[in-house]
Amino acid sequence: DAKTTQPPSMDCAEGRAANLPCNHSTISGNEYVYWYRQIHSQGPQYIIHGLKNNETNEMASLIITEDRKSSTLILPHATLRDTAVYYCIVRVGGFKAGNMLTFGGGTRLMVKP
Amino acid sequence: DTGVSQNPRHKITKRGQNVTFRCDPISEHNRLYWYRQTLGQGPEFLTYFQNEAQLEKSRLLSDRFSAERPKGSFSTLEIQRTEQGDSAMYLCASSNQLRTLRTDTQYFGPGTRLTVL
Repeated sequence: DAKTTQPPSMDCAEGRAANLPCNHSTISGNEYVYWYRQIHSQGPQYIIHGLKNNETNEMASLIITEDRKSSTLILPHATLRDTAVYYCIVRVGGFKAGNMLTFGGGTRLMVKP
Repeated sequence: DTGVSQNPRHKITKRGQNVTFRCDPISEHNRLYWYRQTLGQGPEFLTYFQNEAQLEKSRLLSDRFSAERPKGSFSTLEIQRTEQGDSAMYLCASSNQLRTLRTDTQYFGPGTRLTVL
């Protein structure tokens, strides 16, 4: 699986949009971009994933650049409960793929009042 | 859909003892994964099952570790002769990987925190 690079930490004001970047310049055509977050002492929580199109769900939006070498996770109105470590993971799809998730260091997002 | 559950949530044991953790995946999910997370690090893959078959094991899974999923439903992870280095959060995840799906999504349980004294 391709490697990802994320800033180690970011701050965001409560109520503002949080934009978390991820670089995955070696991504290949059959690799998906997944985002998870982990609030202290809890299991990772799935947020969103995409292949090449932008995606939106009730939690967040995922913007993938046209060349697929980077992406941005957007939390439109961050709350204090969004304070967590956010992981960007690139993963091969398909029934026969190994499918384990390879977690890097993630971005520690601190939402401040 | 009650989510992935893990028991116990916390386990304290003495070095040299055996411990067993249980994971109940989301109903009808055919894949089940085990990960380990040490303090300050991201989770690391240990092993995964497709139904009852254990398909892949990480080199992190030493001979003291064994995992089973006997009927393709719940899974157990046993650590024999625990060492202080085994202290970590043990996470379970499940997914439904169908041949018709291009990718599957793993949903994690709350984890079991192991402390080896």
